Amino acid sequence: DTGVSQNPRHKITKRGQNVTFRCDPISEHNRLYWYRQTLGQGPEFLTYFQNEAQLEKSRLLSDRFSAERPKGSFSTLEIQRTEQGDSAMYLCASTTGELLETQYFGPGTRLLVL
Amino acid sequence: GESVGLHLPTLSVQEGDNSIINCAYSNSASDYFIWYKQESGKGPQFIIDIRSNMDKRQGQRVTVLLNKTVKHLSLQIAATQPGDSAVYFCAEREGGSEKLVFGKGTKLTVNP
Repeated sequence: DTGVSQNPRHKITKRGQNVTFRCDPISEHNRLYWYRQTLGQGPEFLTYFQNEAQLEKSRLLSDRFSAERPKGSFSTLEIQRTEQGDSAMYLCASTTGELLETQYFGPGTRLLVL
Repeated sequence: GESVGLHLPTLSVQEGDNSIINCAYSNSASDYFIWYKQESGKGPQFIIDIRSNMDKRQGQRVTVLLNKTVKHLSLQIAATQPGDSAVYFCAEREGGSEKLVFGKGTKLTVNP
């Protein structure tokens, strides 16, 4: 499968715990995006990377959230001290970075905070 | 505001009929629009896109129409099939930005 992959697909955690998700973009895609999607809503932009540089962050990305892309390939999204409101689907997308290039999404990681 | 909305939250059609899903956007600075299909438990799947310098684009069984005058986007699906049942989102990208702004989605149900 040469599409965007995300791990784990599901995560259940207790409030206050830290969680980390991984995204592997399509090979040679240099732009990587994170979105969050709650039930019944469309995805909401969180942040994006151009290679290893994090270029834009949404105000939704509180200080408990941190994203990295250290080598410009895979990316991780960490949520510290999880809250029940963090329960959502976390989606990753990637593009080649060309002008008006479509963002291709992965299957998402569904997080449930108890 | 910079939001994308949908006129109908649900749409039910008979197999073989044509479907039309509508979307209204408010940001006149948006220069790129995409329709995604999302099945339960899966990530959004690209269907078709259109740039703001176009008013129509056709794909296989799908057509996207863009009316910039009234800030309206529509997705037409010809000969709708049960496999088309999903939630459909339109998304816009503001010129100069990298983020996509999604609407709430329309749930399409195809009855056999």
